[in-house]
Formats: sequence, C-alpha cells, structure tokens
Amino acid sequence: QVQLQESGPGLVKPSETLSLTCTVSGDSISGFYWSWIRQPPGKGLEWIGDIYDGGITTYTPSLKSRVTISVDTSNNQFSLKMNSVTAADTAVYYCARLLEGRLDPWGQGTLVTVSS
Amino acid sequence: QSVLTQPPSVSGAPGQRVTISCTGSSSNIGAAYVVNWYQQLPGTAPKLLIYGNTNRPSGVPDRFSGSKSGTSASLAITGLQAEDEADYYCQSYDSRLSGYVFGTGTKVTVL
Repeated sequence: QVQLQESGPGLVKPSETLSLTCTVSGDSISGFYWSWIRQPPGKGLEWIGDIYDGGITTYTPSLKSRVTISVDTSNNQFSLKMNSVTAADTAVYYCARLLEGRLDPWGQGTLVTVSS
Repeated sequence: QSVLTQPPSVSGAPGQRVTISCTGSSSNIGAAYVVNWYQQLPGTAPKLLIYGNTNRPSGVPDRFSGSKSGTSASLAITGLQAEDEADYYCQSYDSRLSGYVFGTGTKVTVL
C-alpha cells in the first residue's frame, strides 16, 4: 500500500526557509493530488496546500505568500518550502495523499522547530 | 483559524455512545462538500476514520458512524472502548477559502 515519509531539518532559524520533502512509496506519485498539513504543539490541524503531478498548486490563503509546493515525479517526491519563518511556524508537518477530498494515507509527521 | 467548530471535549463510560458535532456554514458543509473524520491517537499521525460523510475505510470498526445534515455533521461512537480515547477532527472543503479546512478538534475521554 501507499506509504509516505517526511524528511528535512528539525531546526530552522527565524527568518530562514523551511524545506521538507515527502517520499512516496508503494505507488506512483503521478495522477494524484498531494498535500501538506501542519499541527503546532498541542493545537489543531491546518491544511497548508496541495499539488497535482502536473504542478498545479493550491495554498491556504494565510500562508500563500510564503509557501511553495513542488513535485519531483522522477524521484516520487513532493516538497514544501516556507520562507521567512517565525516561532509561530513551529509544528509537526505531515504530508498526505488527497483523494476525492479526503487525506489518506498520512506520513508519520516531522517536528520542525523555529529557533535561533 | 478553523471554520469548522467542534466541542473541545466529550467523555463517556465504556460501552456508552458519544457523538461529536462539526458545525460549518454555507461555504463548506452546507455547500454539499463531503465531510471526512480523522482519529489521532496520542503521539501519532491522524488516520482517516470516516470519508464521504458516512463511509468507513476498510478496517475501521462499525462502532464508528458519520452523518451530515445542513451545515453540520456528526461522528458517533457506539460501544465506547478505552482504545477510542483520542482526538477527532472533521474536515471539508471551503469554497470561500478555496481550500480544505479542519474542525477545531475534539478530545474523547473514556471514563
């Protein structure tokens, strides 16, 4: 079955760029939508955005100016970049497949802390 | 900012039935977009529990059921078990935001 795994630095300095990659295994990344979601410690879930394998992207309005999601079909990966991060961006970041409006499956998540 | 509102917590004794509401508006649940529910056990990633308002993925016990009416949806857990203690989130699409939205989350406690 499809499995997702997030990877990237666990610590990012304020004002710098957060970069994460999600590696998809068990199926091709092509032909599906893929999403990023985050969860600040002790808080709820926030959808960040999604991408279709052709590069079509959608972002949540509150983050749109700082976020870029891209896809690398040759490596079956998609990525998240968020610039100008602050402590408020500290969260567990999840990647997930978006299928008919539902998110399934999810990666295990990776904690990114923004701190100097 | 969540546009779907859930009660912060619900609790029940083992074997009891609990329900979790998810209140939206005319730009999401009321606009006929589907509602999905996720279960997040402590320290783990969310897992799809109910999709398309009422459907259970393979492997999800039939103790879990979903419903939708107007601008709201509900998740019911019958025969509550200790292993059901978790956070639960609803999720839908919002046409005003042109994106997906989550509920505020509900913590279920088994007494």
